[in-house]
Amino acid sequence: AQKITQTQPGMFVQEKEAVTLDCTYDTSDQSYGLFWYKQPSSGEMIFLIYQGSYDEQNATEGRYSLNFQKARKSANLVISASQLGDSAMYFCAMREGQNQGGKLIFGQGTELSVKP
Amino acid sequence: DGGITQSPKYLFRKEGQNVTLSCEQNLNHDAMYWYRQDPGQGLRLIYYSQIVNDFQKGDIAEGYSVSREKKESFPLTVTSAQKNPTAFYLCASSMDWGGSGREQFFGPGTRLTVL
Repeated sequence: AQKITQTQPGMFVQEKEAVTLDCTYDTSDQSYGLFWYKQPSSGEMIFLIYQGSYDEQNATEGRYSLNFQKARKSANLVISASQLGDSAMYFCAMREGQNQGGKLIFGQGTELSVKP
Repeated sequence: DGGITQSPKYLFRKEGQNVTLSCEQNLNHDAMYWYRQDPGQGLRLIYYSQIVNDFQKGDIAEGYSVSREKKESFPLTVTSAQKNPTAFYLCASSMDWGGSGREQFFGPGTRLTVL
């Protein structure tokens, strides 16, 4: 069965440093998509970045990049130059297969705390 | 501004009562979704709708019901059959059902507490 695993319940990073949040996934499909969302304390989910299973290059969006290692089934989020406003919960999610359409499966999340 | 609105932000319910959570979007999106989030957990899919007048059960649909009579609206009813309804409920929408890179846009959420 499809599954998303985030093994880091909490992470700390110093302001202006880079941090990597881990995500591994399990799927038997060849076509799938991977998403990262940020959830601040207000509760709203904010889309950060997307990686398709057939994309040859790692996705990047500003300070966010996705380290996609298909053979290892990992899709780690890298945040460069951390800011205090980056403190939040971060969720990795997967859309599996074309027929599953928009259905997303979420991991348990990682709580990131940025220290000044 | 385009977006998704959910109301109310906080909702208190007595045991045995049905309550309806509102979700409205003005993004002209075809697909809409309801998720439940428990403390320290990820999101779980309750119901989804690919298009108006159609909806499907997600992974945890028992004790919930939905309707999709209008494209912009996807209300969720938490019935008395839901044994543990206290949670944070998030509504989302996406441009369409299929296709790659179709991220979902989320509303601000409704926090439901059963007294």
